[in-house]
Amino acid sequence: AQSVTQPDIHITVSEGASLELRCNYSYGATPYLFWYVQSPGQGLQLLLKYFSGDTLVQGIKGFEAEFKRSQSSFNLRKPSVHWSDAAEYFCAVAFTGGGNKLTFGTGTQLKVEL
Amino acid sequence: SQTIHQWPATLVQPVGSPLSLECTVEGTSNPNLYWYRQAAGRGLQLLFYSVGIGQISSEVPQNLSASRPQDRQFILSSKKLLLSDSGFYLCAWRGVQLTEAFFGQGTRLTVV
Repeated sequence: AQSVTQPDIHITVSEGASLELRCNYSYGATPYLFWYVQSPGQGLQLLLKYFSGDTLVQGIKGFEAEFKRSQSSFNLRKPSVHWSDAAEYFCAVAFTGGGNKLTFGTGTQLKVEL
Repeated sequence: SQTIHQWPATLVQPVGSPLSLECTVEGTSNPNLYWYRQAAGRGLQLLFYSVGIGQISSEVPQNLSASRPQDRQFILSSKKLLLSDSGFYLCAWRGVQLTEAFFGQGTRLTVV
């Protein structure tokens, strides 16, 4: 069964520091990969997505992610974090030939220190 | 443009009472529809998804059921709520090309 692992439950960074959130998936087929952000009590907003092509994808709010097939990873990065980036971040995966399921990780709560 | 509506935003229900949460999508046809539950520290748990009218796939055995009476309507129900049904419920849709999912604003359900 397809699954997504976000090993970091909580991460704290200082404003202006760089950020990397980890995401690993399991399954054998070609993945569609997503990163979402959620503010408290709100729905989820798409940050970026990967379907095919260039393995480094750019998203909104200055975020980027890199797909590494050999490591089954899709880590999210930002060079300089802003206080407004504090939120919960979710990685998600769907697979071609895997039906229509969209599976999410358990999320990473980001805290930004001023 | 496409929009997704989910209501109510908050709900407090006694144990043993029924539940009905509704989700509707506008501006698209034949969407794939999803119900997720979010509990603290557990991420988004996929409860049900639907690829068409009357077609429901259940991901986990539980006290809930889902129905899709119309193409763009997805309903989450329970006959008798349990305390463990408390959580934040999110509806989402994906287009026929199975690209990204778009989410509603969620329903905070508290069972007391």
